[in-house]
This record gives sequence, structure tokens and C-alpha cells, in this order.
Amino acid sequence: KNEVEQSPQNLTAQEGEFITINCSYSVGISALHWLQQHPGGGIVSLFMLSSGKKKHGRLIATINIQEKHSSLHITASHPRDSAVYICAVKRPGTASKLTFGTGTRLQVTL
Amino acid sequence: DTEVTQTPKHLVMGMTNKKSLKCEQHMGHRAMYWYKQKAKKPPELMFVYSYEKLSINESVPSRFSPECPNSSLLNLHLHALQPEDSALYLCASSQGALGPSAVYNSPLHFGNGTRLTVT
Repeated sequence: KNEVEQSPQNLTAQEGEFITINCSYSVGISALHWLQQHPGGGIVSLFMLSSGKKKHGRLIATINIQEKHSSLHITASHPRDSAVYICAVKRPGTASKLTFGTGTRLQVTL
Repeated sequence: DTEVTQTPKHLVMGMTNKKSLKCEQHMGHRAMYWYKQKAKKPPELMFVYSYEKLSINESVPSRFSPECPNSSLLNLHLHALQPEDSALYLCASSQGALGPSAVYNSPLHFGNGTRLTVT
């Protein structure tokens, strides 16, 4: 069993829909990252969370430390949001190593 | 646009070739990373440099040789690679000191990657 699990693995939505991607982890963490990877390969860091909620534009990330769960929400989705979204956690005492989830592939259609 | 620049974007090399991947950042970050990513898999950490010193080597084969000439540059020298080494190689950087007990967390800034094909 992976230490970081994401769901769903694949997601197709229509433009304008509200999207939720979930991340559950089974280890203690000091921070959780949400990353976006477009088909070209480059990765963009969307959020780094250790508690609560963060918002940037149409993106919202929440984390519940007690439940070991985080969600990434996209409001008013757009085709340019199509990408792979990756959850990664940093464990205390592991320097700079991140443990990655397997990603959620999102396709937003017109 | 990414603040971490990787060159080249694409590289095709034979198994007997020697080539280098380059990564550059000017954000004053003191930690730099090499990741390898196979298709439809998450990135795998290869190396971490902290203050220009190698701090993590994830048991990477010696045909991959990292180098950090200064705080802004990170190279990955490639020699005698195998076809299974074909992958996307990603560079990243972050602020903050590192070490086994480091608790400082900072976002990672990734480059766009070099897509390597070994023939």
C-alpha cells in the first residue's frame, strides 16, 4: 500500500464544473504539497500546506491533519486546467525528500 | 514561465555517449534537486545538493554524476547510459537549510525538464 494515495486516478469534467481531488496519507508529515504537471512535463508547485486551508485564484487546498487527508478543489474549471495533479508529503526528519502520490489525471472538456 | 531553467529540452544519446544536463536558478535558493520521472509515474528523487554540497544520493548508478559548480547551477553528467534510463529529468530548487533533522519546509520550484532518450 502506498503511503500517499490519491483519488480519483482519472477525472473528466466539463468546463465550469467544480472539481475535487483527494489525497490520503498514512504517515506523519510536516508539510503537504500539491503540484500540477502539464503534458509538456514541467511541474508547478500549487500549494504547500501544514494546516488549514489556502486559496489561490480558482484553486483551494485544504488539509485535515487528524484525518491525514487533503483535498484540492478547482472552481469553474477550464480546459487549461487539464493536467496531472500530484500530492506529495514531506515527512519530519527526512530532509528534503518528498513522498509522492501517483497523481490524478484531469481532463476538462468544452 | 518557470524560474528554474533546464537545458536542453530534449536529448537523444547513444549508450556510448557522454552528455550533460544543465539547470540554473537565480532565486537565491540553496537547495537543488535532480528527479527522474518515467511515463505516468511520479518523480523519483535522485540527488539533493544543499549549499553546493551533495547531501542526498538515492543510490543512483554511477553512470549519473551530479555536479554543483555554484549556488545557481546544477549539472547532471551522463555516461554509458542504458535505454531504460530514458525518462524526463527534472531539476528543482528550494530555499532553506537541509539535513536529516531539518524541519524547515519550503515550496519546490521545478524546471520544465529534459526529455532524455537513450538509443
